[in-house]
Amino acid sequence: EVVLTQSPGILSLSPGDSATLSCRTSQSVEFNHLAWYRQRPGQAPRILIYGASYRATGIPDRFTGRGAGTDFTLTISRLEPEDFAVYYCQQYGLSPYIFGGGTRVEI
Amino acid sequence: DVQLVASGGGLVQPGSDLRLSCTASGFRFIGSAFHWVRQTPGKGLEWLARIRSKANSYATAYAASVKGRFTISRDDSSQKTFLQMTGLEADDTGVYYCTRGYNGLDNNMFDFWGQGILVSVSS
Repeated sequence: EVVLTQSPGILSLSPGDSATLSCRTSQSVEFNHLAWYRQRPGQAPRILIYGASYRATGIPDRFTGRGAGTDFTLTISRLEPEDFAVYYCQQYGLSPYIFGGGTRVEI
Repeated sequence: DVQLVASGGGLVQPGSDLRLSCTASGFRFIGSAFHWVRQTPGKGLEWLARIRSKANSYATAYAASVKGRFTISRDDSSQKTFLQMTGLEADDTGVYYCTRGYNGLDNNMFDFWGQGILVSVSS
């Protein structure tokens, strides 16, 4: 099964900064079926990006997904207070639909 | 409004069975795939099971960690999805989420999630 490795584990930044999160997969992701989620404390994850680069409904253009094959990034520009959370990537091309271990973006 | 409301969790002893339910409203249930995902301190987010729509023969898929012990099902008439869990182990302890395919379609990325239900397996 595919293994998703997210880095860094923790990113310490300030509001207004930009963040770049990485997700590397052990095998090429079919059709770039790679999604990103944000999870705030006490809440369920929320989808941000699907298809590696398509913003989900209601997601602002501060969030940009890029990548293909085995190397993907999520860039968040102009960090806002609600962006300090944990971010997960997920491959959904082939079962099992594995999640990465997460990157915590903290103040 | 789209809603997924989960129920059925609780504290059980190792070896017990438990059935989780998830009631959906606010969207076209029959066209959507449904999934169960759990979250544990040790393993983070773990996808568990999927059931596709009737148009895709209600096809199911499971994570290796639960295959043979967990069964996902759905009842389109009552707009519910279920996760039957048998032979529960301490490692099954966690918060369980039901979730639907994005935009209420038969796919494998998730937009709306249930509220999360705690399952604790302990003697």
